[in-house]
Amino acid sequence: DAKTTQPTSMDCAEGRAANLPCNHSTISGNEYVYWYRQIHSQGPQYIIHGLKNNETNEMASLIITEDRKSSTLILPHATLRDTAVYYCINAGNNRKLIWGLGTSLAVNP
Amino acid sequence: DAGITQSPRHKVTETGTPVTLRCHQTENHRYMYWYRQDPGHGLRLIHYSYGVKDTDKGEVSDGYSVSRSKTEDFLLTLESATSSQTSVYFCAISEGVGARQETQYFGPGTRLLVL
Repeated sequence: DAKTTQPTSMDCAEGRAANLPCNHSTISGNEYVYWYRQIHSQGPQYIIHGLKNNETNEMASLIITEDRKSSTLILPHATLRDTAVYYCINAGNNRKLIWGLGTSLAVNP
Repeated sequence: DAGITQSPRHKVTETGTPVTLRCHQTENHRYMYWYRQDPGHGLRLIHYSYGVKDTDKGEVSDGYSVSRSKTEDFLLTLESATSSQTSVYFCAISEGVGARQETQYFGPGTRLLVL
């Protein structure tokens, strides 16, 4: 079973920020929080990851709570092309990622 | 995009026939993975490789075998395909070192239908 909990689906208006939450209350000290997304029929795509500090790259921002039990992926200005399933995963170094069903994000015009 | 190709992209086969799927990378990454994706399930790891001729089982390895004779190629074989192996198969690669050691890059997928 996945070690993270995400809402099944979310909606967002085009141009607005999309904030996708993830609970990972059992995360270990050496596990990173990874976010991937999967656009329909394509392979998953890496977005961002972090250990305990907030992270930002060209795609998104990742906010991790101080206790590391939850995180939020932020897409600052969502576009229609951001419609996808978003996966939050805790990963150490054992090579075996456990994927849940993710959050299906619909960006609406 | 990471240089990962999968072949074939689509395949229809009959129950009981052998099937081999190929994953090819041009990134010289150490780790390679095979996943399957089915409705109602997250991606599930079948097998992975941590080097040439070094492989390990994932959570759904029964009925599948793998081989890696070169860094760039990772083959997944269904010795005798069954209808339960109808799925979308994804290959992934990762460097396996440093802060991005678990960052995996995925191929486009192979859609397999076993009749």
